[in-house]
Amino acid sequence: QQQVKQSPQSLIVQKGGISIINCAYENTAFDYFPWYQQFPGKGPALLIAIRPDVSEKKEGRFTISFNKSAKQFSLHIMDSQPGDSATYFCAASLGSYIPTFGRGTSLIVHP
Amino acid sequence: NAGVTQTPKFRILKIGQSMTLQCTQDMNHNYMYWYRQDPGMGLKLIYYSVGAGITDKGEVPNGYNVSRSTTEDFPLRLELAAPSQTSVYFCASSSRPGGETQYFGPGTRLLVL
Repeated sequence: QQQVKQSPQSLIVQKGGISIINCAYENTAFDYFPWYQQFPGKGPALLIAIRPDVSEKKEGRFTISFNKSAKQFSLHIMDSQPGDSATYFCAASLGSYIPTFGRGTSLIVHP
Repeated sequence: NAGVTQTPKFRILKIGQSMTLQCTQDMNHNYMYWYRQDPGMGLKLIYYSVGAGITDKGEVPNGYNVSRSTTEDFPLRLELAAPSQTSVYFCASSSRPGGETQYFGPGTRLLVL
């Protein structure tokens, strides 16, 4: 059973455009929702994270939007740049339990 | 502060051979994890450890073994390599299992032929 469903699997965006990646979760008790960014040949690294007491968190060009009632959260990358081309993973965790990861989204930003 | 280091970076194994993937962290984290990453399948948890001497199975433990004799090291052992174990393996560590950042190593790419 996949507890975190991530879409799309791949995404192509033009430079300057907005990239949007969505995740849906099933367990309403999840209390931590991080996004990881992975460049080719590298390990994932934390990009931004949110807790369910807020509906949005912004760090530079990256924003997480959180919809608790819909059990969804999304990553928005504004003014997408070729350097943002990477694989993005959403995840969700509950308390002291190990996070569950989505399957990842491969983002390509064309110059 | 090197973070999480993994060796080797790449390895080719023949079916039936064994090997150990090394993982070391210098952040004094109690929690360590081994994941495998296959295209389009995300990160699958193989084994994890909550401290020296304590390990537990994750989602896909078959064909693997681990040990945790020190806080710093968490090696992953493949006893009888199979083509299905061709993958990229990531080691990670964290100060807590949930609600905190996981720090990943650079990965080991394994090809079993």
